[in-house]
Amino acid sequence: EAGVAQSPRYKIIEKRQSVAFWCNPISGHATLYWYQQILGQGPKLLIQFQNNGVVDDSQLPKDRFSAERLKGVDSTLKIQPAKLEDSAVYLCASSPQGARNTIYFGEGSWLTVV
Amino acid sequence: GDSVTQMEGPVTLSEEAFLTINCTYTATGYPSLFWYVQYPGEGLQLLLKATKADDKGSNKGFEATYRKETTSFHLEKGSVQVSDSAVYFCALSDTGNQFYFGTGTSLTVIP
Repeated sequence: EAGVAQSPRYKIIEKRQSVAFWCNPISGHATLYWYQQILGQGPKLLIQFQNNGVVDDSQLPKDRFSAERLKGVDSTLKIQPAKLEDSAVYLCASSPQGARNTIYFGEGSWLTVV
Repeated sequence: GDSVTQMEGPVTLSEEAFLTINCTYTATGYPSLFWYVQYPGEGLQLLLKATKADDKGSNKGFEATYRKETTSFHLEKGSVQVSDSAVYFCALSDTGNQFYFGTGTSLTVIP
């Protein structure tokens, strides 16, 4: 079974530029998550989708971050304009339908803002 | 709200030493509990999980027991190897499939 796919793996941009990350979850997984992990910290949830609806985006900085999950499958996370403090790993994860299921992570997209 | 508190690191052990990483949780319902491991440059991987009180999760020599009375899920391994060097995250999942992660504990095992 294919895992969670993310791209690009690495991205370096200048502040005020924009960047987009793509995620394809495990086939059939209804729930998709985007996490931000700053070096030395635990993952922080940015947004959680159930199919193509948003369950929780309370910690998403909506003035610069946006995310969509068209057709309830793959998803895109965009940052515009980027700030230095956005340098982090952006982790996509997915889980099957139902409560308290295991969450499966992709390898992450590493963003450096200079 | 729900949360996870885990032992701060970093932890440095000699090969074959005993490992314990403490994790306690706060939850209003009956969460599932997880340990994830993150190797350098990689995403998080599930190490083990337990879905109800007194369940023991185990994998690759690691174990953790879901203790409802002490709201704990401590990770243990009897004999660590250099290849166990990684960051370990305790996490819980509630009925809404929302996950809460601890801050991570970095483990370095020296030969």
